[in-house]
Formats: sequence, structure tokens, C-alpha cells
Amino acid sequence: DQQVKQNSPSLSVQEGRISILNCDYTNSMFDYFLWYKKYPAEGPTFLISISSIKDKNEDGRFTVFLNKSAKHLSLHIVPSQPGDSAVYFCAASRLANAGGTSYGKLTFGQGTILTVHP
Amino acid sequence: DSGVTQTPKHLITATGQRVTLRCSPRSGDLSVYWYQQSLDQGLQFLIQYYNGEERAKGNILERFSAQQFPDLHSELNLSSLELGDSALYFCASSRRPGSGELFFGEGSRLTVL
Repeated sequence: DQQVKQNSPSLSVQEGRISILNCDYTNSMFDYFLWYKKYPAEGPTFLISISSIKDKNEDGRFTVFLNKSAKHLSLHIVPSQPGDSAVYFCAASRLANAGGTSYGKLTFGQGTILTVHP
Repeated sequence: DSGVTQTPKHLITATGQRVTLRCSPRSGDLSVYWYQQSLDQGLQFLIQYYNGEERAKGNILERFSAQQFPDLHSELNLSSLELGDSALYFCASSRRPGSGELFFGEGSRLTVL
């Protein structure tokens, strides 16, 4: 049961242009959605998040959009830079459920490899 | 540097063996999470501890076990290893578990021959 899906394994963009990474989810109970970036030989690093009660969050060149009706979120990077080349993971989190057993664990998508060409 | 330390970075062993992966969380973080990343796979949640207690379990095999010690470091024990257990194992810690903002270590790459 893959609750978080990234259907594009890779994306190639020219430097200076916009990169749009997409993510779909199935569980309407998620409370937070996050994007993580991963370079080779490193662990994932947190990039940006959005609460399920919002539809947009912006941080510098990075903006995350949430469309709850479509169960879809996207990450926009403008302008894209060669240093942005990495694997981007979409993730979703639930606060504690009734049994208190899902206290912040993340469900990750498969990842999208972004390549930004100079 | 995320502040999360994992050892060993690389480990090669044979089928049927047992290994222990160690994680030291960021100072002050009470939650520790273990994730597995196999080839071409996303990060699969294994298990979470909060202040020494198991808090959530994912798709963790019965051959695998974990614990979090009073000093908050955690160990993931993998036994009766199979070829399919070869993967990157990540540990992460969090100060605000509900937010989903995790700090990941660099991972331990396990190769089972």
C-alpha cells in the first residue's frame, strides 16, 4: 500500500528555469507534507514543509503547493540551480493517532532525480 | 552535518550472520527513527522510539529488532541475514516528532554476500 507516490523517476531542467516536482497521496489523514533533498552518500535533509490546513508555503526559491481535493502536492524551485541536482523525496506525516502510535513517522515517496543543467 | 551519527558507514557480511547498527541522535532529540532504503526503493519506515519506548512500527521483519538506550542512542539488530537485506539503513532523530522534520544520519550501507 503505497500511500505517497512520486510518479516521475527523473526530471531534467535548464539552469534558471522552473523545476516542478509532483507528489500524490492517498491517505487524507496526513497532517504535514514535507520535501526532503538527498545528495549521494548523504542522508536526506529537510527542505520545506506544509501543514494540511494550508495550500502554499514559500521559503526563498522553494514553494510547496498543496491541493487537498486532488490529494496532490508539488514543489516549485525557481530559479533552478545546478546545485539543486539531487534526489527529492516527498513525505507525509501524521500526528499521533487515537492509539498514539504514529507520532511523527514519515511515509516517503520513491523519489525524483532532479538534474539541473548549466 | 545533521548531528546524527551512524556507525558503521559500511558493512559487508555473509548470509546467516547478525549485525548491529548504531545511531546517536542529535543532542536533545528524544525520538529516533530507523528507515531502510533498498535499491530503487524509497525510504521504508522500520521503527520509531521515543525516550526509550517503542512508539511505532513499520514493515520491520521479525529477524530485525531495535532498542533505544537511556542515553538515547539506538541500535538496530539484523539477524539471519539474507541477500535481500542489503540496503542503506538510515537513522533519524527529531525534537518535534509531530512536525515530521527529521534529521538523518549518513546511513549505514549493509552488503550481504
